[in-house]
Amino acid sequence: KTQVEQSPQSLVVRQGENCVLQCNYSVTPDNHLRWFKQDTGKGLVSLTVLVDQKDKTSNGRYSATLDKDAKHSTLHITATLLDDTATYICVVGDRGSALGRLHFGAGTQLIVIP
Amino acid sequence: EAAVTQSPRNKVTVTGGNVTLSCRQTNSHNYMYWYRQDTGHGLRLIHYSYGAGNLQIGDVPDGYKATRTTQEDFFLLLELASPSQTSLYFCASSDGTGNTGQLYFGEGSKLTVL
Repeated sequence: KTQVEQSPQSLVVRQGENCVLQCNYSVTPDNHLRWFKQDTGKGLVSLTVLVDQKDKTSNGRYSATLDKDAKHSTLHITATLLDDTATYICVVGDRGSALGRLHFGAGTQLIVIP
Repeated sequence: EAAVTQSPRNKVTVTGGNVTLSCRQTNSHNYMYWYRQDTGHGLRLIHYSYGAGNLQIGDVPDGYKATRTTQEDFFLLLELASPSQTSLYFCASSDGTGNTGQLYFGEGSKLTVL
């Protein structure tokens, strides 16, 4: 049973537009949540990690929120660039230590067009 | 600079073939992981290790063996490859500090079993 659901599955935006990616999960306990960017044919690169019950982070044009009560996270990308074309993966960690497991979503494929 | 290097990047074998995927990290991390990534699924954990000589079973271990020879090197072995093992394999390393820790991925090894 999939415990991390991402939506939309794919998204096309024009360069300069903003977009929002969603992540809903059922993982329990939910210690932290990470967003990764995966360029085509490449590995995953961490964008941000959220930890608190209601958390917000910002990393340049990327900002993210987490609501553990709703088990929901969003990733906002502002003023998209062509280089933002990638798959964005939501990952929920069920422990604060390495003894925990990471639960991966299937990703949202973002395509930015000129 | 943090690095996880996988080899080979691409491999084609036949059913019943013997395959070894290699991973080396230069991050001085204790924890290393092997995942597989398939279309429509999140990354799934095959095996992981806490240090040289240590091996832990992941969520999808059937048909795979692994060995951690040094802190730097972690190998994934497919002794009788099957078409169901056609996938994109990722190695990752972590300093094991969970939600605030570092987590780095290699660029992947694409395996095709004919």
